[in-house]
Amino acid sequence: AQKITQTQPGMFVQEKEAVTLDCTYDTSDPSYGLFWYKQPSSGEMIFLIYQGSYDQQNATEGRYSLNFQKARKSANLVISASQLGDSAMYFCAMRPNNAGNMLTFGGGTRLMVKP
Amino acid sequence: KAGVTQTPRYLIKTRGQQVTLSCSPISGHRSVSWYQQTPGQGLQFLFEYFSETQRNKGNFPGRFSGRQFSNSRSEMNVSTLELGDSALYLCASSLVTGTAGELFFGEGSRLTVL
Repeated sequence: AQKITQTQPGMFVQEKEAVTLDCTYDTSDPSYGLFWYKQPSSGEMIFLIYQGSYDQQNATEGRYSLNFQKARKSANLVISASQLGDSAMYFCAMRPNNAGNMLTFGGGTRLMVKP
Repeated sequence: KAGVTQTPRYLIKTRGQQVTLSCSPISGHRSVSWYQQTPGQGLQFLFEYFSETQRNKGNFPGRFSGRQFSNSRSEMNVSTLELGDSALYLCASSLVTGTAGELFFGEGSRLTVL
């Protein structure tokens, strides 16, 4: 079974500053993928970034980067230059590569960006 | 291109009734997954369909069922509704199943059971 832990229920960040959202995971599967999603108050889950367990480099997508430390089983999301529109819930998720599209999600972190 | 479309967006039912939710995936996507989101349990996987076949199923009672049509559109059904079924039901689609890459979600169907 997989487990995702997000230890920060809520965080504040000043606009234009960088912020790191923590995610640790536990799995016995050797091959897996890690995801981060953003959920605004509207409810839609917006895909942000993906990291495969065998990817040599950390994934980046615009202002989002994933700090992947495989030995520590952590996959932290870094948002650079925070914007007011970044205020939302953020979910870390993982999927073993032999489990179809069955994602296991963490409990989420609510990020609030201060002007 | 159009995203994942879920209907209805909001609905209210009473205990004992049944409900059917619909999900139209992104054009060309063949995998559709369903998730339930509640404040207490968070996001939980319900089931996944690929090419009209159920590929995976989460730990939910048999009252929760689904199907996928030949055009990849999917429906999920919950029978004999209970108060605890009140949740946001999210549908996600991807090109194929179980490979590296993105999984795109819709805006969800918010079900309230009274």
